[in-house]
Amino acid sequence: AQSVTQLDSQVPVFEEAPVELRCNYSSSVSVYLFWYVQYPNQGLQLLLKYLSGSTLVKGINGFEAEFNKSQTSFHLRKPSVHISDTAEYFCAVSLDTGRRALTFGSGTRLQVQP
Amino acid sequence: NAGVTQTPKFQVLKTGQSMTLQCAQDMNHNSMYWYRQDPGMGLRLIYYSASEGTTDKGEVPNGYNVSRLNKREFSLRLESAAPSQTSVYFCASSEELINAYNEQFFGPGTRLTVL
Repeated sequence: AQSVTQLDSQVPVFEEAPVELRCNYSSSVSVYLFWYVQYPNQGLQLLLKYLSGSTLVKGINGFEAEFNKSQTSFHLRKPSVHISDTAEYFCAVSLDTGRRALTFGSGTRLQVQP
Repeated sequence: NAGVTQTPKFQVLKTGQSMTLQCAQDMNHNSMYWYRQDPGMGLRLIYYSASEGTTDKGEVPNGYNVSRLNKREFSLRLESAAPSQTSVYFCASSEELINAYNEQFFGPGTRLTVL
């Protein structure tokens, strides 16, 4: 079975600073990788996804992520954060065979401070 | 397009009571899912429906039942609510089961408290 680990439960950062949210996964088969964002009291919104091809994926709101197969990682980055980026971020994986639902990490709360 | 809608938004139950959470999507998607979200645990899959007429268990199905009423609607039922079922419930849909060409879209969630 696949699993997803988000090592940081909270990441405080100052406005305009860069940020990296870490995600590692384990799976014995090929996977699809996703990052979702959840703003307070809202549902989940897709930030970006890796399905195949280029390992650097660009998403909405200036976020990007890099798929590293050898490290089994899919870290999310933004070069300069805004107060409005304060939210919870979830990394998720889906197998490309069988039950193709999402397995989520436990989430990372990004707190952007002025 | 409303996307994925869920009702109710909030609900408080007493232990042992039953209720049904409703979910509907207007994107003509074949696959639908129910997740629960608990603090520090991310979202966990309860049940899913690959297509109209089929349902399958997910990671945490105990204490729940589902009905895929038609292509648009996928309901989640708690027959005898327990405090351990206090959670936020999310419904999602995708064109087919997730593959290289499609992704899941989520509803706004139902916040359920069982006393």
